[in-house]
Amino acid sequence: DGGITQSPKYLFRKEGQNVTLSCEQNLNHDAMYWYRQDPGQGLRLIYYSQIVNDFQKGDIAEGYSVSREKKESFPLTVTSAQKNPTAFYLCATNTPTRGGNIQYFGAGTRLSVL
Amino acid sequence: AQSVTQLGSHVSVSEGALVLLRCNYSSSVPPYLFWYVQYPNQGLQLLLKYTSAATLVKGINGFEAEFKKSETSFHLTKPSAHMSDAAEYFCAGTPSGGTSYGKLTFGQGTILTVHP
Repeated sequence: DGGITQSPKYLFRKEGQNVTLSCEQNLNHDAMYWYRQDPGQGLRLIYYSQIVNDFQKGDIAEGYSVSREKKESFPLTVTSAQKNPTAFYLCATNTPTRGGNIQYFGAGTRLSVL
Repeated sequence: AQSVTQLGSHVSVSEGALVLLRCNYSSSVPPYLFWYVQYPNQGLQLLLKYTSAATLVKGINGFEAEFKKSETSFHLTKPSAHMSDAAEYFCAGTPSGGTSYGKLTFGQGTILTVHP
């Protein structure tokens, strides 16, 4: 069953704690992305990776970190430096198609602060 | 820099009525444009995309969108709303050339409510 799996679906963070959100894909897509979604603000890009062992900051990277050790996996760590982490986090992958790349999305992880 | 603007954060229609969700883009070069739909607590699903092959694009679930370069618009329409269309809709764009690395710029989203 092909797709993008995000886990956990719900996550709670205590103050000062780092938490890691998982994103796994078996679509064999090269590019992967992390977005943060807040009500009324659309999706904002946190980090993206075009290839294994390489990643780039997006528009709101402060307080977050990522790694890309395997093509299938792109975990996102929300560090204690992120003072307002409560949001819905979406992972996406991308494959080139004729006339524009299409992004495919996981089901998301909702992060809340205790 | 490219931007995408959705006019109206909330749209409410009656079942069977026309659905019109507005999207305008700002770009020196016509971009590739997309409409996505999101149901509560789920990821985004692609409805349709514009890639310069045709200005009127048909998507899933009876939705379509028309690219109008003169108006820099890419509005989403559906002739007759169903209750199941209630969701949040996002317009997104990416430059058609250069090294965008597939990055999308999203609009703020429009929540569609359908009344019986």
